Amino acid sequence: GNSVTQMEGPVTLSEEAFLTINCTYTATGYPSLFWYVQYPGEGLQLLLKATKADDKGSNKGFEATYRKETTSFHLEKGSVQVSDSAVYFCALCNTNAGKSTFGDGTTLTVKP
Amino acid sequence: DTEVTQTPKHLVMGMTNKKSLKCEQHMGHRAMYWYKQKAKKPPELMFVYSYEKLSINESVPSRFSPECPNSSLLNLHLHALQPEDSALYLCASSQVGGNPSEQYFGPGTRLTVT
Repeated sequence: GNSVTQMEGPVTLSEEAFLTINCTYTATGYPSLFWYVQYPGEGLQLLLKATKADDKGSNKGFEATYRKETTSFHLEKGSVQVSDSAVYFCALCNTNAGKSTFGDGTTLTVKP
Repeated sequence: DTEVTQTPKHLVMGMTNKKSLKCEQHMGHRAMYWYKQKAKKPPELMFVYSYEKLSINESVPSRFSPECPNSSLLNLHLHALQPEDSALYLCASSQVGGNPSEQYFGPGTRLTVT
C-alpha cells in the first residue's frame, strides 16, 4: 500500500533561517506528489506539486524535487518568514479522483 | 473562481439532532471529497464522489450520509452522532482525468457533538 513519512515536528526557526522538511514515500505506480499547507483555523491549501520524476515544484519561495531514486519529496525554503508558520502536509495520489495518502504533518513556527 | 465554500463554519449539535453540512464549488471539478480532521492530525478520507456518483466510502458509519445533488454541490447529512465525531470536516474538489491532480479544500466546518 501507499505511505508517506514526514519529518517529525514541531520545527522552530528564526526568521530568515533555511527550512527543510523531509518527506519520503512508498507507492505503487507513478504517483503525483504534493505539499499542502494549513494555517490555523483554515483548510488545506496546495503549496506545490510534481507529477513525474525529476520535476521540481515551486511556489512562494518553497521548492521540492520529485526524486524517484530516493523516493523523496523534501520541502525547502531559503529564508522563512513569520507568516510561514503553519502545518505542512506531504501527500501522494496515484489515481485520479482517488484516495490521497497524507503524511502526519509538520508544525513550523517561525520566530521574529 | 478557485474557491470551495462550506457552511456552516461552526456547528454544535446534540446526539439526537439531525443536521447537514454543505459544500459548493464552481471550478467545474467533477470529483468531490469529504474528510474528517482531528486536531494535530492529517485529514482522513470519508467519501469520494466522481461525476456525482459515490465512488469511495471509507467504511464510514451510517450516521454520516453523503449526497451529491449536482456537479457543484456536496452535502453531508448527520444523524445520531457521538461525541467522538467532533472534528473539523473538510470538503475538497479536484479535476478528473489526466495525472492525479491537486485537491482544492474548503475552510471546513468545526463540528462539536454534545
